[in-house]
Amino acid sequence: EAGVTQSPTHLIKTRGQQATLRCSPISGHTSVYWYQQALGLGLQFLLWYDEGEERNRGNFPPRFSGRQFPNYSSELNVNALELEDSALYLCASSSPGSGANVLTFGAGSRLTVL
Amino acid sequence: QKEVEQDPGPLSVPEGAIVSLNCTYSNSAFQYFMWYRQYSRKGPELLMYTYSSGNKEDGRFTAQVDKSSKYISLFIRDSQPSDSATYLCAMSPDLYKLSFGAGTTVTVRA
Repeated sequence: EAGVTQSPTHLIKTRGQQATLRCSPISGHTSVYWYQQALGLGLQFLLWYDEGEERNRGNFPPRFSGRQFPNYSSELNVNALELEDSALYLCASSSPGSGANVLTFGAGSRLTVL
Repeated sequence: QKEVEQDPGPLSVPEGAIVSLNCTYSNSAFQYFMWYRQYSRKGPELLMYTYSSGNKEDGRFTAQVDKSSKYISLFIRDSQPSDSATYLCAMSPDLYKLSFGAGTTVTVRA
């Protein structure tokens, strides 16, 4: 069974640009979560999508947005990139009914903003 | 004050030693407690999942939760070099609002 896949693995952008990160959940999983892992800060919750709808978002500015497609894959968009957006962005999925506590993570997309 | 506090380490132990990791928290509503392990260049993977207070054992791993002290621990017995990773505690008041610690980096020396 394929795990959670994320692309690209690495992404380098400059300040002010936009970044798009993609995630494919495990087959059968309908919920997708996005987390930011910056050095020394642990995982910070960004967004939760379930059945195509945004269910919750963390304490991040509106320039962080995303969507979930009918096949449950998801993309995260970060507009007007700032230097502090440099981080590992992790996508996770969970099966229906299991909630956010039992997550399967992808390997992440490392975003570097210069 | 962060909602979940975790000493980032790093922690270095010889092979065979007991590794002791812990987190403290401030939100008394937390009742689900997890430990995730993250290898370098990989995403976190769920290691232990407990509900409310008490102990849970799985092989060489033991998780303890003391809700009265707002303190959770993870013990790794007979540590192996393959246990070298970053360990993240996580907790939630329900099934949806997960809060992570910053992670403790552990190195087990052969």
